[in-house]
Amino acid sequence: RKEVEQDPGPFNVPEGATVAFNCTYSNSASQSFFWYRQDCRKEPKLLMSVYSSGNEDGRFTAQLNRASQYISLLIRDSKLSDSATYLCVVNPGSFQKLVFGTGTRLLVSP
Amino acid sequence: SAVISQKPSRDICQRGTSLTIQCQVDSQVTMMFWYRQQPGQSLTLIATANQGSEATYESGFVIDKFPISRPNLTFSTLTVSNMSPEDSSIYLCSVERPGQGARNGELFFGEGSRLTVL
Repeated sequence: RKEVEQDPGPFNVPEGATVAFNCTYSNSASQSFFWYRQDCRKEPKLLMSVYSSGNEDGRFTAQLNRASQYISLLIRDSKLSDSATYLCVVNPGSFQKLVFGTGTRLLVSP
Repeated sequence: SAVISQKPSRDICQRGTSLTIQCQVDSQVTMMFWYRQQPGQSLTLIATANQGSEATYESGFVIDKFPISRPNLTFSTLTVSNMSPEDSSIYLCSVERPGQGARNGELFFGEGSRLTVL
């Protein structure tokens, strides 16, 4: 089993739609979690950290489910500019290196 | 935030040659990280560059293949030595977000160096 698994997609949604991605992780001791966004041929950029209580930033909501070992990202009212690859990143803790998922590709169409 | 300048942004190289990638940060940072992102793959950490000491390499990466320099707190280089087509990839420099409260895992990345080896 991969340490971090994501559905590669692509998720094709119309503008205005709500879309959700999940990411599962294998190490139950993992300590912190992040979503990054990567545009085509660009570097990854931090979208948001994921906190235990869940957190929201505008149209984006991230949640953590430790019992089932997954994190989710919900995007409401999708915009064309949301089209990108969304990377799930897990910090296993204990000074281990970050683990990156392969990403979920989102395509928002007019 | 941190501004990271990386160069070259892209290059096409011949098999057997070496290429050095430079990474300049606009602020002093303790650690700089070098990642590789192969087509369709996730980011993989190559090594952590520490100022004043040898770089720390991850499993599967060795200093002879990927020598790293870290002469000061704002600059690092990664060399890809004796290149083969399998080294074709994007190489990314990264630093942690500065400031108190920053979580381990909040990173800034350079724009990447896209390397093609023929």
